[in-house]
Amino acid sequence: GENVEQHPSTLSVQEGDSAVIKCTYSDSASNYFPWYKQELGKGPQLIIDIRSNVGEKKDQRIAVTLNKTAKHFSLHITETQPEDSAVYFCAALFKAAGNKLTFGGGTRVLVKP
Amino acid sequence: EADIYQTPRYLVIGTGKKITLECSQTMGHDKMYWYQQDPGMELHLIHYSYGVNSTEKGDLSSESTVSRIRTEHFPLTLESARPSHTSQYLCASSWGQGDTEAFFGQGTRLTVV
Repeated sequence: GENVEQHPSTLSVQEGDSAVIKCTYSDSASNYFPWYKQELGKGPQLIIDIRSNVGEKKDQRIAVTLNKTAKHFSLHITETQPEDSAVYFCAALFKAAGNKLTFGGGTRVLVKP
Repeated sequence: EADIYQTPRYLVIGTGKKITLECSQTMGHDKMYWYQQDPGMELHLIHYSYGVNSTEKGDLSSESTVSRIRTEHFPLTLESARPSHTSQYLCASSWGQGDTEAFFGQGTRLTVV
């Protein structure tokens, strides 16, 4: 069935350091991989997404890489700031399951000042 | 800011009561979703809809039901609430095939006593 594994479940970094979150997915036909950030008391919000025709995408301090062969993708946050503290979710669109977006288990990121 | 609204934000209700969680979006999105979020963060898809008069069950079995009579409205109903239904419920919507940004509401935190 559809499955997205996300690691680590918690991540504590010093302000200014980098944070990396990794995800693997089960459906080789998946072609859309978004990342969401959820702040306390709010719903998740898209921060970056990548499609299967590219291997890397950057937006200021965040970047996502995709390895379709290995079926894994990663989120990189550089120069972390306290406002980056939140829960981050990766997701993959499973075409075989009627284009359902399946989320990873989430990573709680804490940026220590 | 996403134009998707959930009411109520918080609900405490007694066992056996019937409840309806409201979700409305003004973006004209075809697809709408309900997710149940554990205290441990994970997002579980419980219902989704491709459009008016379309409803499908998600990955996590749920005793709730949904309806989609209008494009903008996707209410979730529990006929008889139980303490095991205590959770955070998140509604989301997106365009077309699901490979575009999903916009989330702020959630309804339901407590059944």
